[in-house]
Amino acid sequence: EPEVTQTPSHQVTQMGQEVILRCVPISNHLYFYWYRQILGQKVEFLVSFYNNEISEKSEIFDDQFSVERPDGSNFTLKIRSTKLEDSAMYFCASSENQPQHFGDGTRLSIL
Amino acid sequence: GDSVTQMEGPVTLSEEAFLTINCTYTATGYPSLFWYVQYPGEGLQLLLKATKADDKGSNKGFEATYRKETTSFHLEKGSVQVSDSAVYFCALRPSGYSTLTFGKGTMLLVSP
Repeated sequence: EPEVTQTPSHQVTQMGQEVILRCVPISNHLYFYWYRQILGQKVEFLVSFYNNEISEKSEIFDDQFSVERPDGSNFTLKIRSTKLEDSAMYFCASSENQPQHFGDGTRLSIL
Repeated sequence: GDSVTQMEGPVTLSEEAFLTINCTYTATGYPSLFWYVQYPGEGLQLLLKATKADDKGSNKGFEATYRKETTSFHLEKGSVQVSDSAVYFCALRPSGYSTLTFGKGTMLLVSP
């Protein structure tokens, strides 16, 4: 069964540094999402992407965040200048319409 | 705004016990409802879904019925196994939107 893949599985970064989280969605899917889960808290929506542009974003998704689909297969989340509170598990998801299929996540640790 | 409330965990059960994990929601209109499961070290997997009132979603022995009158979508399984140990997330997707709103998750621990 096709699946969403995310790399790396764990990323450790110094505060203030830029980080790029990578995702390869399922190939025929058209909608792409990023969610995050701070340890012990609920999964929170960050952004959705369709037809090469952001379709929805949450309050969390401020100017420090950006998304890109640089080629036909990858979908990336960039955090420009990381803060301690960005430490979380970041999940990528994709869908043809519904439901959404999730990757295994990237654990981001900010030091 | 829309929200999902799940019962606090962990829920600790012996193998073959009956499972209920409560989920209630607040949303305008007619959302779709989902249960996702997260096994240790893995991502979120869709377990089951229901898109309209009185629909019953089912998969792998788990069931949940969309109850609009009580705004609930409780997850049930008649006989749990050790391999069911995981965190279970209730989620809704508002009508007309694509994003998911999740509950906090309920950890289930099943002992032999």
